[in-house]
Amino acid sequence: QSVLTQPPSASGTPGQRVTISCSGSSSNIRSNYVYWYQQLPGTAPKLLISRNNQRPSGVPDRFSGSKSGTSASLAISGLRSEDEADYYCAAWDDSLSVLFGGGTKLTVL
Amino acid sequence: QVQLQESGPGLVKPSETLSLTCTVSGGSISSHYWSWIRQPPGKGLEWIGYIYYSGTTRYNPSLKSRVTISLDASKNQVSLKLSSVTAADTAVYYCARLAAYCNNDVCYTAWFDPWGQGTLVTVSS
Repeated sequence: QSVLTQPPSASGTPGQRVTISCSGSSSNIRSNYVYWYQQLPGTAPKLLISRNNQRPSGVPDRFSGSKSGTSASLAISGLRSEDEADYYCAAWDDSLSVLFGGGTKLTVL
Repeated sequence: QVQLQESGPGLVKPSETLSLTCTVSGGSISSHYWSWIRQPPGKGLEWIGYIYYSGTTRYNPSLKSRVTISLDASKNQVSLKLSSVTAADTAVYYCARLAAYCNNDVCYTAWFDPWGQGTLVTVSS
């Protein structure tokens, strides 16, 4: 059982906006940055969002991150078929360990 | 462009030691943190630990008693050893560079990027 809680699944149709939540605690999300990783089928995870809401070079602006208190969210607007993947949130804990969420499988209907 | 490649035995017997190597190309391992992360088949990600080029290490408390991460700067390689393995250690093992940022002379570990392609290790007799 992961310390960061994500819904196991999410879905949307092309063009829609979907959000994926990530819930933690005061020792991780509230006091540290949140990161999001995208894992396309059969591939290694890839950094999608850094430091709560920063997009690395090459990540489309359809992807956005936010954080409030002990929760964070990843939003994907203008959903596309190639966005079908597993999404993981991550945050460092005050104990200096990094925690991952259990992952959310996004299906594009 | 930095690239990482994991290598090592794909099959390890129960109670033995799992040993993997991550070879870094396109850049030096100096002045960076390097980490190992694993993913059991069909499951989520689990952080194993990291090493700084100076040799400083930090491990996941749940694995700490069995894990050793080391590096060989002359070969640009980072290694992972996990002892006393069981079937629960069956997973794809990834190495990744761990970025850090500094604020007021204090540095914080941050995001994993890039990642290697991963290597599947099965624990079975």
